[in-house]
Amino acid sequence: AQKVTQAQTEISVVEKEDVTLDCVYETRDTTYYLFWYKQPPSGELVFLIRRNSFDEQNEISGRYSWNFQKSTSSFNFTITASQVVDSAVYFCALSGFTGGGNKLTFGTGTQLKVEL
Amino acid sequence: DGGITQSPKYLFRKEGQNVTLSCEQNLNHDAMYWYRQDPGQGLRLIYYSQIVNDFQKGDIAEGYSVSREKKESFPLTVTSAQKNPTAFYLCASSIGDGSYNEQFFGPGTRLTVL
Repeated sequence: AQKVTQAQTEISVVEKEDVTLDCVYETRDTTYYLFWYKQPPSGELVFLIRRNSFDEQNEISGRYSWNFQKSTSSFNFTITASQVVDSAVYFCALSGFTGGGNKLTFGTGTQLKVEL
Repeated sequence: DGGITQSPKYLFRKEGQNVTLSCEQNLNHDAMYWYRQDPGQGLRLIYYSQIVNDFQKGDIAEGYSVSREKKESFPLTVTSAQKNPTAFYLCASSIGDGSYNEQFFGPGTRLTVL
């Protein structure tokens, strides 16, 4: 079975602080994909990144960066110099053959609050 | 603009009534999905459809039904058999059903059963 664990339920930071959101996953598949989504207060999930299991290169996109480590089954997300607009719930998700096609297994999410 | 629309945004129903949630996409995506979100929980898959006139149960299909008569539309009916229907419902679509395809989400419908 596939499982995604986001142990941090809620994180509060002051604007301009860096913050890392943790994601640990479990799967028996050798080929799988990891995703991060952002859910702002409006409710709609916004796709942030996809990473396949064969690509362990870290990725940076502006203030966002992702660290994928197969050895620890982790796919952590760091926001540098956080801003109030980053306040949202962030979900890590996993898909693979075991789950069946494009069925996503979501973590329970991390609520990020960025305050002035 | 291409995207996914869900209507209505808020829906109130009396206990025992069936209710249908609308989901329409103009992204020309083959696959569509329905998720349920409860406070403090991740999204759980209700039903998904990989192609018109075909759909499969997800992890929590009991008390729900769907249809996929058109590529653009994937309505979800919450029946009276669903024991705890109050939740936030999200519809999504993807180009194909491969595990590498990211899913695009609609704005959601918040259903409250009184």
